[in-house]
Amino acid sequence: RKEVEQDPGPFNVPEGATVAFNCTYSNSASQSFFWYRQDCRKEPKLLMSVYSSGNEDGRFTAQLNRASQYISLLIRDSKLSDSATYLCVVNPKKSSGDKLTFGTGTRLAVRP
Amino acid sequence: EAGVTQFPSHSVIEKGQTVTLRCDPISGHDNLYWYRRVMGKEIKFLLHFVKESKQDESGMPNNRFLAERTGGTYSTLKVQPAELEDSGVYFCASSPHPYEQYFGPGTRLTVT
Repeated sequence: RKEVEQDPGPFNVPEGATVAFNCTYSNSASQSFFWYRQDCRKEPKLLMSVYSSGNEDGRFTAQLNRASQYISLLIRDSKLSDSATYLCVVNPKKSSGDKLTFGTGTRLAVRP
Repeated sequence: EAGVTQFPSHSVIEKGQTVTLRCDPISGHDNLYWYRRVMGKEIKFLLHFVKESKQDESGMPNNRFLAERTGGTYSTLKVQPAELEDSGVYFCASSPHPYEQYFGPGTRLTVT
């Protein structure tokens, strides 16, 4: 079983749509959680950290459910520029330092 | 502020040859990480430097890979001798503190 599992997609949505991505992680001791965005043939870029209380940044909302080991990302009012691969990323445990564990990513395509 | 830079952007070598990848972190970042993405798989951690010391090298695949960070500034990752399965994109990341890592554009390595 992979440490971080994501639906690879692709998700094809029209502009203005709301889309949600989910991710599960296997290590219950995991300490910190992130969503990264990766454009084609580019480097991953931090989109947002994910906190237990949930957090929002403009059109993006992230949620963490530690009991279910589940992370979500909601994008409202999708823009063409949101087309990218969204990577669910977990820091396995504090004592391991900062090595990040990545999911394979979920591809989003927003159409006009 | 300049971001993480990596050199070369692409490298095509034959099986059995040696390749050295270079990463220049963001100035002042003590933490430097190497990751790799092979085709169709998720990005995987290779190792982590804190200044010039190897903090965690648990992700290094075998002894054909050698990473150095002389003087705690730039880092090199040498693959010797290269094998076909070493093909992929090698990312470097740096951070001033745990949990927020900034990625470089990556080096695309092709071993033929």
